[in-house]
Amino acid sequence: GAVVSQHPSWVICKSGTSVKIECRSLDFQATTMFWYRQFPKQSLMLMATSNEGSKATYEQGVEKDKFLINHASLTLSTLTVTSAHPEDSSFYICSAREGGTRLTPQHFGDGTRLSIL
Amino acid sequence: GNSVTQMEGPVTLSEEAFLTINCTYTATGYPSLFWYVQYPGEGLQLLLKATKADDKGSNKGFEATYRKETTSFHLEKGSVQVSDSAVYFCALLTGTASKLTFGTGTRLQVTL
Repeated sequence: GAVVSQHPSWVICKSGTSVKIECRSLDFQATTMFWYRQFPKQSLMLMATSNEGSKATYEQGVEKDKFLINHASLTLSTLTVTSAHPEDSSFYICSAREGGTRLTPQHFGDGTRLSIL
Repeated sequence: GNSVTQMEGPVTLSEEAFLTINCTYTATGYPSLFWYVQYPGEGLQLLLKATKADDKGSNKGFEATYRKETTSFHLEKGSVQVSDSAVYFCALLTGTASKLTFGTGTRLQVTL
């Protein structure tokens, strides 16, 4: 149980285009979803936290107009990288948590590798 | 602020060797501590956790003990396998916002 599916797993696109990444909880309702960014051989950096039906909370330094997050249902959150540029190339990982307390485990997707040419 | 420090890798071991990956932390309050594992090209999987001092988390032969006095949560395994090759992240969780703070990760390479 507790499967999180992330799609696509890999995307290559031209500079200036927008890219949407989906994160789905397949067998549970995710009241909270998290979006992380991981640079090569580095740790995960939290970008934003989203609760179903409300606006995402972005971490300091993350451009909310650049990284649009939508969490419209209990099983789906999307991250849209708008007008992507080569410096946005990275590995993006989502995680989802099913209600409960703060100790309820986060379940991670397999990540999306984004390459901007 | 909160931070997690892990030993730098890569760690290279022969199969059946003993593994220790050090992790120390700085946190306000009383954090919960976690070890996650990331296999190549994949997301993170929770390996084990401990929620209070002196708790021992264990899973798949791995274990780690929450040491409040030394602010540490070292990961150990008595006999590693090639399939254990991955990147291991130590993390902590504090506050009601449930933000995980990760260490930089330690790459483990196990050879035959």
